[in-house]
Amino acid sequence: EIVMTQSPATLSVSPGERATLSCRASQSVSSNLAWYQQKPGQAPRLLIYGASTRATGIPARFSGSGSGTEFTLTISSLQSEDFAVYYCQQYNNWPRGLTFGGGTKVEIK
Amino acid sequence: QVQLQESGPGLVKPSETLSLTCAVSGYSISSGYYWGWIRQPPGKGLEWIGSIYHSGSTYYNPSLKSRVTISVDTSKNQFSLKLSSVTAADTAVYYCARVSKHGSGIYWGQGTLVTVSS
Repeated sequence: EIVMTQSPATLSVSPGERATLSCRASQSVSSNLAWYQQKPGQAPRLLIYGASTRATGIPARFSGSGSGTEFTLTISSLQSEDFAVYYCQQYNNWPRGLTFGGGTKVEIK
Repeated sequence: QVQLQESGPGLVKPSETLSLTCAVSGYSISSGYYWGWIRQPPGKGLEWIGSIYHSGSTYYNPSLKSRVTISVDTSKNQFSLKLSSVTAADTAVYYCARVSKHGSGIYWGQGTLVTVSS
């Protein structure tokens, strides 16, 4: 099983600042990596797929990069609605499986 | 626009079988995509349980495979999850989901909390 590790577990950021979230895979997943945002009491929402392609309707302040085993989600200027938990997810072996990282909580500093 | 709605008991006794159904509207299951289940224990991360293709092919998380059955009923445009021999560790919000062909995009239902307790 491919293990996804996210860091940091919690990121304290002021509104308007940049946030950088990391995700590492235990083995290469090529560019088969997605990012999701989850707010309290809600289902996750797809932000990025293919490591760097924004999903429909996702603002340009969200960007993804990386390939292989190292990935980054960057939020260029945090808005109030961006404070949430973010998960990375690999789908390199789909449909035989997919795995999520443990999540990074972005909180207000 | 596709909508997914989970239904089933919110409370299940230990050692019994958890059964959930996901009703799909706005899209025909027979038309494609994978359909699956993902769970999230309270305050914790996400775990893929398994998926089914509209043709009936199934794929399960190896850690749960011995206890999981996912089936599809195209006539009712719904799919179901059965998880046997549950314990308190199976307490979670269970999401049904539509997954794209390559696994690159998950569209989620709203989720339903299932508590395992006597």
